[in-house]
Amino acid sequence: DADVTQTPRNRITKTGKRIMLECSQTKGHDRMYWYRQDPGLGLRLIYYSFDVKDINKGEISDGYSVSRQAQAKFSLSLESAIPNQTALYFCATMRTGSNTGELFFGEGSRLTVL
Amino acid sequence: AQKITQTQPGMFVQEKEAVTLDCTYDTSDQSYGLFWYKQPSSGEMIFLIYQGSYDEQNATEGRYSLNFQKARKSANLVISASQLGDSAMYFCAMRVRNNAGNMLTFGGGTRLMVKP
Repeated sequence: DADVTQTPRNRITKTGKRIMLECSQTKGHDRMYWYRQDPGLGLRLIYYSFDVKDINKGEISDGYSVSRQAQAKFSLSLESAIPNQTALYFCATMRTGSNTGELFFGEGSRLTVL
Repeated sequence: AQKITQTQPGMFVQEKEAVTLDCTYDTSDQSYGLFWYKQPSSGEMIFLIYQGSYDEQNATEGRYSLNFQKARKSANLVISASQLGDSAMYFCAMRVRNNAGNMLTFGGGTRLMVKP
């Protein structure tokens, strides 16, 4: 089983619908991140959390919200999805105190908003 | 602001040949790290190699090596003896430390296609 698990892996929805992407990890890392990937733009940071009580906006947080339900769980919500939120979404974790700052990624959630 | 630039949107390489994927970065920090990740068509992100800004030797991991030229602010990935399975997207990323801790910024990616 993957150390960082995202659900759903694929989702097609309609404009205006509420969508939640879930992430759970068994790595025991405190730090969790949500990125979105768009062609030519690489990965851009949406939100990050350093522990259960800590939530921070990233580069492109507008239109998104997050919840850190537990150390192991970090969910991303789109309250009212729009077509330009069609993208591949990644959850990632990092060990607090990591010398390198390596991110460990989930398998990705591909979201299509029609 | 931190920035990573990958100027090659797509590249072809013949199987068994070496290929260099370019990455330049911009930061005013003295302490930083550089990563390369591979993304095959299945979509997952696979860590390949890491170079710290104070590391004097270029990082190597099997067929992957990172050509780190600090003065030029470049961190190119060299893949030797390309294999068909190397066909994928490749992302360069930079880690800097700020008040919030370690943060990674990614380049736009390079799609590598290996020809048989």
